[in-house]
Amino acid sequence: DVKVTQSSRYLVKRTGEKVFLECVQDMDHENMFWYRQDPGLGLRLIYFSYDVKMKEKGDIPEGYSVSREKKERFSLILESASTNQTSMYLCASSSMGPFNEQFFGPGTRLTVL
Amino acid sequence: LAKTTQPISMDSYEGQEVNITCSHNNIATNDYITWYQQFPSQGPRFIIQGYKTKVTNEVASLFIPADRKSSTLSLPRVSLSDTAVYYCLVGDSGGGADGLTFGKGTHLIIQP
Repeated sequence: DVKVTQSSRYLVKRTGEKVFLECVQDMDHENMFWYRQDPGLGLRLIYFSYDVKMKEKGDIPEGYSVSREKKERFSLILESASTNQTSMYLCASSSMGPFNEQFFGPGTRLTVL
Repeated sequence: LAKTTQPISMDSYEGQEVNITCSHNNIATNDYITWYQQFPSQGPRFIIQGYKTKVTNEVASLFIPADRKSSTLSLPRVSLSDTAVYYCLVGDSGGGADGLTFGKGTHLIIQP
């Protein structure tokens, strides 16, 4: 079974803190993704990585950065967390292109106070 | 970029067949159609993918007419556990992430 794991299910941080969300996949997939999901807004792509050290901005990259130093790991970084970044964050991976089957992690519910 | 339109919500009853239609009027030649299912507090899960005509697996069927401007996900004999949000995506399986938008999906509610 493909496994995509995320470092935390729940996280509470304070405004202005630097936040790291980690995602690891065990299927040697080239592509990895970070999404956020908010009620009424659906699932929105933040960043996409198609190879180590390679990244593409998604629909809502403002306020976020990413790091992919190893193929299996993709990190989402909130440089200075704000309350409007309170959300559910979902990581996914896929082989081949982004429109092939994506495997999702369980999500991290981040609350910024 | 192929944009999709699907109903916000649908209701049905256990044992019924449910059909969810997705419109994608400007689908491109190389685009595939993919459906995902999401339960509360979980990430989406791939259900089915197709290019044209009909695709069937153990979970669902996907019907795509000749003009490919729409597609219909068919769930046979639904149960309460099929209550979930269903997303339709359209894009080039060999391309980049342009147009990779899950949107709001269709919230399917199955009643006893």
